Amino acid sequence: QVQLVESGGGLVKPGGSLRLSCAASGFTITNYYMSWIRQAPGKGLEWVSSISTSGSAIYYADSVKGRFTISRDNAKNSLFLQMNSLRAEDTAVYFCARGELWFDYWGQGTLITVSS
Amino acid sequence: EIVMTQSPATLSVSPGERATLSCRASQSVSSNLAWYQQKPGQAPRLLIYDASTRATGIPARFSGSGSGTEFTLTISSLQSEDFAVYYCQQYNNWAPRWTFGQGTKVEIK
Repeated sequence: QVQLVESGGGLVKPGGSLRLSCAASGFTITNYYMSWIRQAPGKGLEWVSSISTSGSAIYYADSVKGRFTISRDNAKNSLFLQMNSLRAEDTAVYFCARGELWFDYWGQGTLITVSS
Repeated sequence: EIVMTQSPATLSVSPGERATLSCRASQSVSSNLAWYQQKPGQAPRLLIYDASTRATGIPARFSGSGSGTEFTLTISSLQSEDFAVYYCQQYNNWAPRWTFGQGTKVEIK
């Protein structure tokens, strides 16, 4: 069955970096758009970044453009999010999700806390 | 940017009653709209895509309608497991390609 498992979350100081991973199973990520979506504590969902099936199209929300980088390792069937220059407002649960238009499978999320 | 506005913010409904949730887009998104359900501590679950198509395994009591800028999610007879937060999400071909509404919380009356 389809499964997405995020890892790499934790506490980081403002200005710091963190790399999130999302291990996929039950399907091949190169056949699907893959995305990162976040949710600040007690808030709604915010789309962060997506990568196309070929990897040639990559999209970022304005709020993270220039600071975050999405990538994937096809051999490991995994998705990544490199997050640099982290700010307090990046504090959130980060979900990876599958889909080009709508998101049909989601991971359980990993919490990133940016605080000094 | 297409802004999605959901109403009401909170909907109080008794079990067995009908719930009607609204989602409005700041410009037309055709039928490119999805609905999700999220329970506390859980990931969102896809309910509806293309405005009115139920996702796999979603009960028939959930239905979606609308096109253009006005959309509705209807839960025909609320069950205890349906009390949750519901989000709409639009998808399009220009930036940003995906945006969510702020959510509607369906609570027990």
